[in-house]
Amino acid sequence: QKEVEQNSGPLSVPEGAIASLNCTYSDRGSQSFFWYRQYSGKSPELIMFIYSNGDKEDGRFTAQLNKASQYVSLLIRDSQPSDSATYLCAVRTGGSYIPTFGRGTSLIVHP
Amino acid sequence: NAGVTQTPKFRILKIGQSMTLQCTQDMNHNYMYWYRQDPGMGLKLIYYSVGAGITDKGEVPNGYNVSRSTTEDFPLRLELAAPSQTSVYFCASSYSEGLGGTDTQYFGPGTRLTVL
Repeated sequence: QKEVEQNSGPLSVPEGAIASLNCTYSDRGSQSFFWYRQYSGKSPELIMFIYSNGDKEDGRFTAQLNKASQYVSLLIRDSQPSDSATYLCAVRTGGSYIPTFGRGTSLIVHP
Repeated sequence: NAGVTQTPKFRILKIGQSMTLQCTQDMNHNYMYWYRQDPGMGLKLIYYSVGAGITDKGEVPNGYNVSRSTTEDFPLRLELAAPSQTSVYFCASSYSEGLGGTDTQYFGPGTRLTVL
């Protein structure tokens, strides 16, 4: 059974700090990795995807993938109160059209 | 483009009643999905479709049915509603590049359903 694990949090960081969100997965055949942000009462929206080992940067967001250790992380630099949300990790294997979602990590950025 | 639209936004059902949750996308996406999200939980896949006329079960299909007669529409039918079906339901769509692809899922605003 494919599993995607995330610490439910909440993760609390001060404004301007770096927030680090982690996700581990069980299926070594996983190939595509996604980070979605979900504000309270809203639907998820894609922040980034990554499929190669290493780092991928987009503005204040950096996704890091380590397939050997089976984890993917999301770093948010210069965190803002508007970043307060739940962050969902999703993983897709090479043999599937459908991603598996983790439970999400709640992030709180306090002024 | 309106993206993915869902109706209704909220609904209260009595145990044993039935209803259909509507989902429409205008992005010509081939893939469509139905998820449910319970408080503090991630997204659980109910059903998905890879194209008109083709549907398949997800992780939690019991108590639900779907159909896909057009590319745009993917309604979810609840038969004999039970309190365990109280949840937020999200419809999503994507254009799939194939197995293991990096296609983005676009989500509708959700339907909040309560079964009493």
